[in-house]
Amino acid sequence: DGGITQSPKYLFRKEGQNVTLSCEQNLNHDAMYWYRQDPGQGLRLIYYSQIVNDFQKGDIAEGYSVSREKKESFPLTVTSAQKNPTAFYLCASSIVSVLLGRVDQPQHFGDGTRLSIL
Amino acid sequence: GQQVMQIPQYQHVQEGEDFTTYCNSSTTLSNIQWYKQRPGGHPVFLIQLVKSGEVKKQKRLTFQFGEAKKNSSLHITATQTTDVGTYFCAGPNSGGSNYKLTFGKGTLLTVNP
Repeated sequence: DGGITQSPKYLFRKEGQNVTLSCEQNLNHDAMYWYRQDPGQGLRLIYYSQIVNDFQKGDIAEGYSVSREKKESFPLTVTSAQKNPTAFYLCASSIVSVLLGRVDQPQHFGDGTRLSIL
Repeated sequence: GQQVMQIPQYQHVQEGEDFTTYCNSSTTLSNIQWYKQRPGGHPVFLIQLVKSGEVKKQKRLTFQFGEAKKNSSLHITATQTTDVGTYFCAGPNSGGSNYKLTFGKGTLLTVNP
C-alpha cells in the first residue's frame, strides 16, 4: 500500500535536547510538508519542500530544521531553540502540478507524531 | 498574509440534525479543499472545488464554492455518529510560492446519539 509513514508515534524531549521526527513516503510525490497542530489552532505550516535538496520556511519555522536529501524522506528536527515543542506534528505530501504551477492536488497525511516535554 | 477563517469553531448536534460549517478567505482562491480529521487521527482529503458557484455532493455532504471564490461551505444532512470529527477548509497561498495551503482552524463536530 502506498502512503506516508511517520515515526515515532510518541516522542518525549528533554530540556536542551534536539529530536528528529521521521517522515517517509512511497507515493512518488514531489512536495512534502510539515505541520504543527495545537488544540484550537488548526494546522500551521512549519516547512515545505517542492523538490529534492530544496525547502522553504513556512509560517512557524523558528526552532525547527529540515532536510530533503531524498525524494521519499523529509525529516524534521525540533531543536532546543523551540521552547514550546509540545504538539501533534503532521507530515504530508502531494503531487506538484508542474504545468499549472499551483496547488491543486490534495495533500496526503501521515498518522502524526505526538511530542511532549519530559 | 492570507487568512482563512472558519465558523463555528465547535458544533454539537443531535443525531439526525443538519450541520453546516463556513469558510471565508481574505483573498480570492483558485480552488478550495476540504479535509476531515477524526478524533486522534490525521486529516483526510474530502473534496476540491475549483469553479465559481460550484456545488458538489458526496452522499449526505454538500460542498459549495462562492461566486466570488472567497467563501465556501460544507453542509451535512441528517448527521450520524460517524460524522464526528474536525472539518477543515484550505486554500492555496495567494502570494509568492503557490505550493502551500493555508488551513482554517477547523470546526469540531460532535454528534449526540
